[in-house]
Amino acid sequence: DAGVIQSPRHEVTEMGQEVTLRCKPISGHNSLFWYRQTMMRGLELLIYFNNNVPIDDSGMPEDRFSAKMPNASFSTLKIQPSEPRDSAVYFCASSPGTSGGNEQFFGPGTRLTVL
Amino acid sequence: RKEVEQDPGPFNVPEGATVAFNCTYSNSASQSFFWYRQDCRKEPKLLMSVYSSGNEDGRFTAQLNRASQYISLLIRDSKLSDSATYLCVVRPYNFNKFYFGSGTKLNVKP
Repeated sequence: DAGVIQSPRHEVTEMGQEVTLRCKPISGHNSLFWYRQTMMRGLELLIYFNNNVPIDDSGMPEDRFSAKMPNASFSTLKIQPSEPRDSAVYFCASSPGTSGGNEQFFGPGTRLTVL
Repeated sequence: RKEVEQDPGPFNVPEGATVAFNCTYSNSASQSFFWYRQDCRKEPKLLMSVYSSGNEDGRFTAQLNRASQYISLLIRDSKLSDSATYLCVVRPYNFNKFYFGSGTKLNVKP
């Protein structure tokens, strides 16, 4: 079975450019999470969706970040305009339930470098 | 104050040693607890859930102390392959939101 799929795996871009990260959760999972990981701040939850609806976006750093989940099998995280401080590994994760207490399955991550 | 705090380490131990990590959490209403493992440049993966009565999975034992608000992970007979970062994870009651600790790095040496 395919796990969580993320693309691209690596992205190098210049400051000011738009960046779009993509995620396909595990089929049948109802919850989807976007995380950012840096050495300084560790793993931070940016936003999560239950049944395609955004539930908590309090972790989204600022208006430059936006996330969508148009259907159960696809989500995007967009940064516009990107800045060097956005450089990090961005993970998408999904879990089977919406009430919590379930394992989260992580994708391989997108390593973003903003020059 | 962070929701979850861990000693970053690194813990450098020889093969065969027993090593223990602790993690403290700030929200007394926390409901679910987990240990995740993350290898270098890889994604986190669930190692084990932590149950109120404590639980064991092979060489790994997890304990929960609600009164003192900490969880622990004990690894017996360490293997080289245990080298990784171990993330403590806490979920508050009635929320589908996981709080991750910053991780404890373990190096098992031959």
